[in-house]
Amino acid sequence: SAVISQKPSRDICQRGTSLTIQCQVDSQVTMMFWYRQQPGQSLTLIATANQGSEATYESGFVIDKFPISRPNLTFSTLTVSNMSPEDSSIYLCSETDGYTEAFFGQGTRLTVV
Amino acid sequence: DAKTTQPTSMDCAEGRAANLPCNHSTISGNEYVYWYRQIHSQGPQYIIHGLKNNETNEMASLIITEDRKSSTLILPHATLRDTAVYYCIVRIIQGAQKLVFGQGTRLTINP
Repeated sequence: SAVISQKPSRDICQRGTSLTIQCQVDSQVTMMFWYRQQPGQSLTLIATANQGSEATYESGFVIDKFPISRPNLTFSTLTVSNMSPEDSSIYLCSETDGYTEAFFGQGTRLTVV
Repeated sequence: DAKTTQPTSMDCAEGRAANLPCNHSTISGNEYVYWYRQIHSQGPQYIIHGLKNNETNEMASLIITEDRKSSTLILPHATLRDTAVYYCIVRIIQGAQKLVFGQGTRLTINP
């Protein structure tokens, strides 16, 4: 199974600022995804991070708010821009080789004050 | 939207088998049934998956009905550490690969 490391594990940020979350996988993977989990809720897919091209966003999520980079097959970043208290959530990175199960990082717990 | 329906919550006594049901009546022929669990806001953990045959691994068993419209995850000897939210997900192997999570079942194992 792949090992996924997310940084930071948690942060408290001021409203109006931005936070970039990093996701590092210990092997090359085909697909990487970013999810958001609001307090007491299930996971919601934000976008698919595509290597070498723009991310594919799900309905309700836009690039200006959640810019994503994926410079290679083992690394991706998600930025939460111009944060408000409503952005307080756990953000999770996931990966799959396309044929087996998907694995998840431990998440980044974000609190916006 | 999630394509599965699960009970919101369940309780089970420690040491007994926990049987978690899932309805997926609109499942397509190329969609697998996956189960994940999430323990206290950690990242989701893969448990098991199957297409149409029953599956068993070191964590659990998966029973899929013949018409594939429902399935049951079985934890044979539940422990307190199995307390978690369990998610049943249908997913194709080819194509987009993304997992769409429903609300899941909050399973509480009682001593």
